[in-house]
Amino acid sequence: EPEVTQTPSHQVTQMGQEVILRCVPISNHLYFYWYRQILGQKVEFLVSFYNNEISEKSEIFDDQFSVERPDGSNFTLKIRSTKLEDSAMYFCASSDGQNTDTQYFGPGTRLTVL
Amino acid sequence: AQSVSQHNHHVILSEAASLELGCNYSYGGTVNLFWYVQYPGQHLQLLLKYFSGDPLVKGIKGFEAEFIKSKFSFNLRKPSVQWSDTAEYFCAVTTNTGNQFYFGTGTSLTVIP
Repeated sequence: EPEVTQTPSHQVTQMGQEVILRCVPISNHLYFYWYRQILGQKVEFLVSFYNNEISEKSEIFDDQFSVERPDGSNFTLKIRSTKLEDSAMYFCASSDGQNTDTQYFGPGTRLTVL
Repeated sequence: AQSVSQHNHHVILSEAASLELGCNYSYGGTVNLFWYVQYPGQHLQLLLKYFSGDPLVKGIKGFEAEFIKSKFSFNLRKPSVQWSDTAEYFCAVTTNTGNQFYFGTGTSLTVIP
């Protein structure tokens, strides 16, 4: 069964540094998402992406964040200047349609900002 | 704003006990409802989903959930849990205003052999 994959599984960075989290969505899916889960808190929506542009974003997704689909398979989340409070588990998800379709999640990348 | 509440943060059961995990949402319009499970060290996996039709939905591994519109609830049930059901369970909702998921805080289930 096809799966969403994410790399790296764990990223440690210094405050102020840029990080790029990578995701490979399921190949025939058209909608891509990023979520994050701060330790002990709920999974929060960050952004959705369709047709090479952002279709929805939350208040969390400020100017420090950006997403890109640099080629036909990868979907990346960039944090320009990391803050301590960016430490969280970041999940990528993909679906082949809109809100009536199931989103399939990757295993997550644990980001630790020191 | 839309929100999802899961009342039980941590549940501990013995094997063969029955399980019910609560989930309530706040949104007056059309919703799609999901339960996801996250086994230790693994990613979120879909257990079951409700879009329309029969409000009693059956999922994988013997789980079922019932959508009660009047109560804005979508509780997860299993008649007899196993040790392998130990995991984190998340209720999630999408609405007809967008395609983002709204997640509950999750319920950690520990099943004691």
